[in-house]
Amino acid sequence: GAGVSQSPSNKVTEKGKDVELRCDPISGHTALYWYRQSLGQGLEFLIYFQGNSAPDKSGLPSDRFSAERTGGSVSTLTIQRTQQEDSAVYLCASSFFQGSNQPQHFGDGTRLSIL
Amino acid sequence: QKEVEQNSGPLSVPEGAIASLNCTYSDRVSQSFFWYRQYSGKSPELIMSIYSNGDKEDGRFTAQLNKASQYVSLLIRDSQPSDSATYLCAVYGNKLVFGAGTILRVKS
Repeated sequence: GAGVSQSPSNKVTEKGKDVELRCDPISGHTALYWYRQSLGQGLEFLIYFQGNSAPDKSGLPSDRFSAERTGGSVSTLTIQRTQQEDSAVYLCASSFFQGSNQPQHFGDGTRLSIL
Repeated sequence: QKEVEQNSGPLSVPEGAIASLNCTYSDRVSQSFFWYRQYSGKSPELIMSIYSNGDKEDGRFTAQLNKASQYVSLLIRDSQPSDSATYLCAVYGNKLVFGAGTILRVKS
């Protein structure tokens, strides 16, 4: 597809379970970003990748959160032992590269609900 | 002080009027500025980017940047009910930082 693709679009799981969220960036985009947006709130930066490396993991809220990107394309965000406060929309974005003049383009997000 | 500040609104304007959305930022070395539109339940959509002082026009949208005042704005002319959304200001210093957004409501 032409845009950023995220899956699943919705995920409902029980507290304590692990979840994996997937992002497939726009073809040719080397930079990939994960954000979290809670209801009525702004975007919270989590992590970004340039190629397969993650120079900035400063936004990950706890060690239960991890992300990887292999082959310079698809990325997965994993949340272990989910908590109710993890409920949010997780957004992925990509850009040609990480730089000041590079706009980020967003996927439709994964709406995560922790029961 | 937040890095990027926006009035949360809601800003209500009548159809056909000009909507003016404002954003201030704290990092003086910020280089790039973006406006995103986010409809309820949808992801942010890039609508404007601006990199140098002055005005940049694209259709009904005009972005204005004043780096000395650390201020960026978005004007929407001939506002339509379909413009009703949350508008996010994003500023790039050493990374892209988003404001919390301004809710715009255009009443027909």
